[in-house]
Amino acid sequence: GAVVSQHPSRVICKSGTSVKIECRSLDFQATTMFWYRQFPKQSLMLMATSNEGSKATYEQGVEKDKFLINHASLTLSTLTVTSAHPEDSSFYICSARTDYNSPLHFGNGTRLTVT
Amino acid sequence: ELKVEQNPLFLSMQEGKNYTIYCNYSTTSDRLYWYRQDPGKSLESLFVLLSNGAVKQEGRLMASLDTKARLSTLHITAAVHDLSATYFCAVDETGTASKLTFGTGTRLQVTL
Repeated sequence: GAVVSQHPSRVICKSGTSVKIECRSLDFQATTMFWYRQFPKQSLMLMATSNEGSKATYEQGVEKDKFLINHASLTLSTLTVTSAHPEDSSFYICSARTDYNSPLHFGNGTRLTVT
Repeated sequence: ELKVEQNPLFLSMQEGKNYTIYCNYSTTSDRLYWYRQDPGKSLESLFVLLSNGAVKQEGRLMASLDTKARLSTLHITAAVHDLSATYFCAVDETGTASKLTFGTGTRLQVTL
């Protein structure tokens, strides 16, 4: 089945530093990938839609200069959290679908802790 | 703004019992998904419901969609401990297989 790989699974960083999270579609091409954020015991919130070869589309309230998204190939999207602060600590999950009628396949998620 | 609400938010049930989780949404959509999330893990796709009246079953779980009522249900039959997890419904807001809005989640605990 379709697999979405996300790396790293966990990262701890100091306040003010930047962190890059990679999301790869392993056995299919994904022109569009989605980045979600989940706080503990809460639901998932869509942050942005990553489009291969063009700019990402950000949801209302998401700072595009803070959460940089790059989708340089059909199998790779990256999310960079710039100048991270403790309030950015969260579970970040990427996803993609194989075709119009398929569900979103989710990566394993990245737990970010900013100290 | 699309709202997706699940009921109940928390469910504790004994093994062998039946129960239904409800997912109500506030806009017209005929694409709805159910996911399972184990603690500390990502989401696993359970069901894809793409039309009014769609019914899907897998093991002890059965999902249905009523687009007129804007309601989906996830029915659990003869629960077992392994079903303990958080279950999310998600609605395709635009009908374009793009943006998903997730429900509040239902944390299911199946006790022995």
